[in-house]
Amino acid sequence: EDQVTQSPEALRLQEGESSSLNCSYTVSGLRGLFWYRQDPGKGPEFLFTLYSAGEEKEKERLKATLTKKESFLHITAPKPEDSATYLCAVQAVGDDKIIFGKGTRLHILP
Amino acid sequence: NAGVTQTPKFQVLKTGQSMTLQCAQDMNHNSMYWYRQDPGMGLRLIYYSASEGTTDKGEVPNGYNVSRLNKREFSLRLESAAPSQTSVYFCASSEILLGSSAGGFPSKETQYFGPGTRLLVL
Repeated sequence: EDQVTQSPEALRLQEGESSSLNCSYTVSGLRGLFWYRQDPGKGPEFLFTLYSAGEEKEKERLKATLTKKESFLHITAPKPEDSATYLCAVQAVGDDKIIFGKGTRLHILP
Repeated sequence: NAGVTQTPKFQVLKTGQSMTLQCAQDMNHNSMYWYRQDPGMGLRLIYYSASEGTTDKGEVPNGYNVSRLNKREFSLRLESAAPSQTSVYFCASSEILLGSSAGGFPSKETQYFGPGTRLLVL
């Protein structure tokens, strides 16, 4: 069964304190892995798509990386406005369905 | 350019009542999606439409029906609402179906989400 596990469930960091969020996945064959950001009471915002191991994508203070078993979302020198829930999702080869993890709630303290 | 709009924003239903959630996008996107989000369960795909005239089941389609009315609009219908359908419902769209280009055109696969409909079934 395809599965996505995100860790930690919640993370509190001081402003400027870099860290990484983890997304571990189990699929028969990975077609794509996707990262989203969600603010309270709002719809998700699509951040990155990753398709093959070794691929990296960057956007401002965020960098997503992919291996054959997991993806990391690295956040460098975060600011309070980076506080949000970050969602990871995967899509298996031969299947259009998108399986989401439960998310990591990130809180950046000023 | 409003992006993805959803109506209504909030709705309270009694068990057994029916309703239709409306979604529209003005970005000329081919693909549209319906998700539900529940505490502790994350986002789950209900139905999607790769292009006008096609619809397919997602992870949790039972109890729902969809209509891709035209390229702009994708509606979700609850024929007989149940308390288990209490949730936040999100509609999304993308230029092409997520994953369909195998990374060839990742920007075309970017999904844009609506603000959500909060549904309570009593």
